[in-house]
Amino acid sequence: KAGVTQTPRYLIKTRGQQVTLSCSPISGHRSVSWYQQTPGQGLQFLFEYFSETQRNKGNFPGRFSGRQFSNSRSEMNVSTLELGDSALYLCASSSGQGGFTGELFFGEGSRLTVL
Amino acid sequence: AQSVAQPEDQVNVAEGNPLTVKCTYSVSGNPYLFWYVQYPNRGLQFLLKYITGDNLVKGSYGFEAEFNKSQTSFHLKKPSALVSDSALYFCAVRLYGNNRLAFGKGNQVVVIP
Repeated sequence: KAGVTQTPRYLIKTRGQQVTLSCSPISGHRSVSWYQQTPGQGLQFLFEYFSETQRNKGNFPGRFSGRQFSNSRSEMNVSTLELGDSALYLCASSSGQGGFTGELFFGEGSRLTVL
Repeated sequence: AQSVAQPEDQVNVAEGNPLTVKCTYSVSGNPYLFWYVQYPNRGLQFLLKYITGDNLVKGSYGFEAEFNKSQTSFHLKKPSALVSDSALYFCAVRLYGNNRLAFGKGNQVVVIP
């Protein structure tokens, strides 16, 4: 069974640009969550999508957005990039059903560097 | 709001010695607790979880953790550390019906040959 796939793995952008990151969850998983990891702030929750609907949202500005497609693949977008957006962006998938007690499965991450 | 605390930044241990990584949690309601490990430039790998039942949970790679409700702790342990256990370890908590994980700051474990 293929794991969670994130693309691209590495990218470099300049301030003011925008970026789109992609995540393909494990087959059959309907929940996709996004996390930002930085040395200073650690792992912070961005948002979660389940069946194409945003089910949960963290405390990030509106520049950070996401969506989920009917095949459960998800994208997140960051507009007007700032230097502080440099981070490892991690995607996690799960079945996400009600009463779910299992773990999240993480991808390898997309490392974004903003210059 | 749920949260976890990992009080130590780095844990150094000699190869072959017992390894303990500490975690305490704060949550209203029944916690679901997790341990993940991260190797350099990689994503997070699941080690083990506590949902309910036996307080001693066994996981991957010889790791185990003990849930202690009175001390609100969920410490990760391994009887005999390997050099390959050197990595960043994260404790996390979430509530029933909510997929959102709250992570601790992480502990860098260094196993000295």
